[in-house]
Amino acid sequence: SSELTQDPAVSVALGQTVRITCQGDSLRSYYASWYQQKPGQAPVLVIYAKNNRPSGIPDRFSGSSSGNTASLTISGAQAEDEADYYCHSRDNSGNYWVFGGGTKLTVL
Amino acid sequence: QVQLQESGPGLVKPSETLSLTCTVSGGSVSSGTYYWTWIRQPPGKGLEWIGYMYHSGSTNYNPSLKSRVTISVDTSKNQFSLKLWSLTAADTAIYYCARDGAFGPGAFDIWGQGTMVTVSS
Repeated sequence: SSELTQDPAVSVALGQTVRITCQGDSLRSYYASWYQQKPGQAPVLVIYAKNNRPSGIPDRFSGSSSGNTASLTISGAQAEDEADYYCHSRDNSGNYWVFGGGTKLTVL
Repeated sequence: QVQLQESGPGLVKPSETLSLTCTVSGGSVSSGTYYWTWIRQPPGKGLEWIGYMYHSGSTNYNPSLKSRVTISVDTSKNQFSLKLWSLTAADTAIYYCARDGAFGPGAFDIWGQGTMVTVSS
């Protein structure tokens, strides 16, 4: 099992706001990054260093962190946001990288 | 714009060694302060970080794979490579190469398309 825990599945109504969370002790000390993966495609970086977006990522994607929990918020979810989302950060030793188990987002 | 492309065998026998290469185009594998990284994803499952080679030549590997993995860089070919030996069916996965470091460590900003590797006799 991963040291970063995500809910396996989350759903959101079209145009509504959804928060995807990632829990782990290492998140008290290290930032999380977030990746979006659509079927048959490589992951895409959507948030890094807690709340920074690479060029080309819509501003409806934002990140935050509190205590041992990092969150990815999609404000006004679109149909094209339906995908798997993975958090990523350091492991509890701080020496290695780990991914969360992933959250499947369904846009209703 | 930097692009990454994985190449290697799609089928490998148990106990054998997997060799994969990632070709870097649109940039140099020896420029910048990047971590050249391998990540894998078993069918229908999540992502697993395998390890990286830093531009300085230092390496860091997932502890669960450390005893049977090597990542290297070939600057003359502008490539970096993964070798994983003593394969079992559990190593069946899509293998991705990725770049880390453009936004500081811990953000894989560029990924290859991935290559499927099946371990089977």
